[in-house]
Amino acid sequence: AQSVSQHNHHVILSEAASLELGCNYSYGGTVNLFWYVQYPGQHLQLLLKYFSGDPLVKGIKGFEAEFIKSKFSFNLRKPSVQWSDTAEYFCAVNFGNEKLTFGTGTRLTIIP
Amino acid sequence: NAGVTQTPKFQVLKTGQSMTLQCAQDMNHNSMYWYRQDPGMGLRLIYYSASEGTTDKGEVPNGYNVSRLNKREFSLRLESAAPSQTSVYFCASSIRDYEEYFGPGTRLTVL
Repeated sequence: AQSVSQHNHHVILSEAASLELGCNYSYGGTVNLFWYVQYPGQHLQLLLKYFSGDPLVKGIKGFEAEFIKSKFSFNLRKPSVQWSDTAEYFCAVNFGNEKLTFGTGTRLTIIP
Repeated sequence: NAGVTQTPKFQVLKTGQSMTLQCAQDMNHNSMYWYRQDPGMGLRLIYYSASEGTTDKGEVPNGYNVSRLNKREFSLRLESAAPSQTSVYFCASSIRDYEEYFGPGTRLTVL
């Protein structure tokens, strides 16, 4: 079955630390990849997306993600996090059908 | 543009009561979706509509029905609410590239 895994359930970092959140999916075909962010009490917003081309994609607020096809991964990174990055982060994959499949999310807490 | 709107924002029901969650989008998107979000389980797709006039089951459709009233509106109905349906419900819409735009959510409690 097609699935999306986010192994980090809760990550706690200090401000200015570097961030990497993992996302893996189980499918060998063509995929479209997304990272969404949900700030406390708000709805999901798109951070970045990958459809084709340069596997390193840049999104809003200094986030970037790298698509590594051989590892079925699309990890999210940020060189230096801020307190305002405290949120829940969701990886989502379109497996060539009409919908997205979401991971279970990673809660990120930034300590000032 | 208002984007994706949902009503109500909050609702408390008793077991066995029915209700309809409303969703509308003004972006002329073809596809619309209903998700539920529960702690530790991420977003799970309940139903979706790839185009006006079509609906399909998602991962967790039991206990729900949907209606794609027109291109703008996609409603979710709970015929007989159960405590297991206590959740936050999100509606979303997308155009061809599957980038989904989300509504603000409805927080539903079933007692």
